[in-house]
Amino acid sequence: AQSVAQPEDQVNVAEGNPLTVKCTYSVSGNPYLFWYVQYPNRGLQFLLKYITGDNLVKGSYGFEAEFNKSQTSFHLKKPSALVSDSALYFCAVSFFSGNFNKFYFGSGTKLNVKP
Amino acid sequence: ETGVTQTPRHLVMGMTNKKSLKCEQHLGHNAMYWYKQSAKKPLELMFVYNFKEQTENNSVPSRFSPECPNSSHLFLHLHTLQPEDSALYLCASSPITGTGTGANVLTFGAGSRLTVL
Repeated sequence: AQSVAQPEDQVNVAEGNPLTVKCTYSVSGNPYLFWYVQYPNRGLQFLLKYITGDNLVKGSYGFEAEFNKSQTSFHLKKPSALVSDSALYFCAVSFFSGNFNKFYFGSGTKLNVKP
Repeated sequence: ETGVTQTPRHLVMGMTNKKSLKCEQHLGHNAMYWYKQSAKKPLELMFVYNFKEQTENNSVPSRFSPECPNSSHLFLHLHTLQPEDSALYLCASSPITGTGTGANVLTFGAGSRLTVL
């Protein structure tokens, strides 16, 4: 069965410090990997994706993610956190199934950045 | 504004009511999705439509009935719901094929917050 795990319900970090939000996955084949962010009362917004190529992917708002095939991980990182980064972050995988892209999401990690 | 619009944003209904959620996109996407978001749980895929044809029904109870009259509009008809159906219902769309930064990316609406009394 396909699954995405975000082991931390919540991550707390001080403003200016580096942050990491963890994600591991279990899927067959070579999936596409994504990070989305959700602010209060909003839908999910795309941050970045990995399809192929360089294992370090850069995305919106200074975020980046590192694909590690041997560890089946795709952790989200940012060198210096901002208070405005506080939100709910979702990791997702997708692959083409039949005739559409099928997406699986993790349960989300709440990021709290304190001033 | 993401290009995917959901109405209403908030809905309160009794267990015997009939209501509908609406989703509209003008991004030229051919696939549309309904997801259910409950606290501390993974997003649950409910339905997928591909060029107006339903391609996925993820074992959703029949009290949820989707409708996709064209590639730009998606509805979720609700009847005789249960309190445990209270959740945020998210609509999303994506291109089926293609390359570039938008390929394989879901674009979400802001969601409809449903409360069943």
